[in-house]
Amino acid sequence: DADVTQTPRNRITKTGKRIMLECSQTKGHDRMYWYRQDPGLGLRLIYYSFDVKDINKGEISDGYSVSRQAQAKFSLSLESAIPNQTALYFCATSEPQAGTPAREKLFFGSGTQLSVL
Amino acid sequence: AQKITQTQPGMFVQEKEAVTLDCTYDTSDQSYGLFWYKQPSSGEMIFLIYQGSYDEQNATEGRYSLNFQKARKSANLVISASQLGDSAMYFCAMREGYQGAQKLVFGQGTRLTINP
Repeated sequence: DADVTQTPRNRITKTGKRIMLECSQTKGHDRMYWYRQDPGLGLRLIYYSFDVKDINKGEISDGYSVSRQAQAKFSLSLESAIPNQTALYFCATSEPQAGTPAREKLFFGSGTQLSVL
Repeated sequence: AQKITQTQPGMFVQEKEAVTLDCTYDTSDQSYGLFWYKQPSSGEMIFLIYQGSYDEQNATEGRYSLNFQKARKSANLVISASQLGDSAMYFCAMREGYQGAQKLVFGQGTRLTINP
């Protein structure tokens, strides 16, 4: 089983609809992230969370909200989806590395391809 | 300003040849980390290699090495003896500072195709 699981893998929705993307992890990490990937732009950070009570905006948080229901679960919501939110969305986790904090690796889920028509 | 620049949208290499993927970065921080990730056609992101700004030696992980030239602000990925399975998108990424969450900034990516 994958350590970081995203559901659904693919989703097609219409403009104006509310949609939730879910992420769960079995790695036991406190830190969780949502990124989106657009062709030619790489990945950009939407939100991140240090723990259940600590949620922070990333580079491109407008139009998105998140919920950290438990250490293992971090959901991304689009309250009213628009076509330019069509992208590949990644959830990731990380854990600080004692002694070498900068070496902290991101562990990614398989991604959710979202299409907004 | 673009913090991570990958100038090669696509590269084509013969199997067993070495390949260098370019990455330049821009930061005023003294403490930063540089990462390379691989994204195969299946879509997942796979960590390859890490280089810290204070590391004196170039990082190596198996067939991957990172050619770190701090004065030039470049962090090129070198893959030795390329294999067909190396065909994928490759992303360079940077973390500024050594504390706090892992807020990586990614480049645009390079699509590498290995020809038999």
